[in-house]
Amino acid sequence: LAKTTQPISMDSYEGQEVNITCSHNNIATNDYITWYQQFPSQGPRFIIQGYKTKVTNEVASLFIPADRKSSTLSLPRVSLSDTAVYYCLVGIYNQAGTALIFGKGTTLSVSS
Amino acid sequence: ETGVTQSPTHLIKTRGQQVTLRCSSQSGHNTVSWYQQALGQGPQFIFQYYREEENGRGNFPPRFSGLQFPNYSSELNVNALELDDSALYLCASSLVAGNTEAFFGQGTRLTVV
Repeated sequence: LAKTTQPISMDSYEGQEVNITCSHNNIATNDYITWYQQFPSQGPRFIIQGYKTKVTNEVASLFIPADRKSSTLSLPRVSLSDTAVYYCLVGIYNQAGTALIFGKGTTLSVSS
Repeated sequence: ETGVTQSPTHLIKTRGQQVTLRCSSQSGHNTVSWYQQALGQGPQFIFQYYREEENGRGNFPPRFSGLQFPNYSSELNVNALELDDSALYLCASSLVAGNTEAFFGQGTRLTVV
């Protein structure tokens, strides 16, 4: 699976929009981009997944440029409860034996 | 809630002992993966089971073994525990083998003393 690079940490205030960018220069043609959120002492939770352009759900948006070498997770109007670690992963969707390869993630701290 | 449940939630073992961790996957999911997460690190893939067969393995020694049962629940067994095995062990289930949208349990915190 392609290696990803993301900031170690980010700080924000309640009500702000937060954008976390992930670099994946060696992404393969069949790779999808997936983001997970993890709170302390809990398992990661799937947030959003995309292949190209823009994907939006009730929680976040995912922006993927045409070259797909990076992606940006956008969290609108964050609250204190969005304080968590966010992981960017790339991998082949629906391939048997696929392991999720996690890096260290980005620790987002939201303050009031 | 994800529907993936793990037991026990916490466990303390002595070095050299053996431990079994259990996972019930989300209803309808036939693929289960296990991950080890050390403090401050991202989860590391141990292995995956699909329809009771091991379907992929990470860089973990053979003393880490597993089983998947006909109801798709799963066990992780670790023999000859070492201090470095202290970690949060996570189970994840998915609808299709290799699906990158996985559902994780809350984990089992293992402490080896």
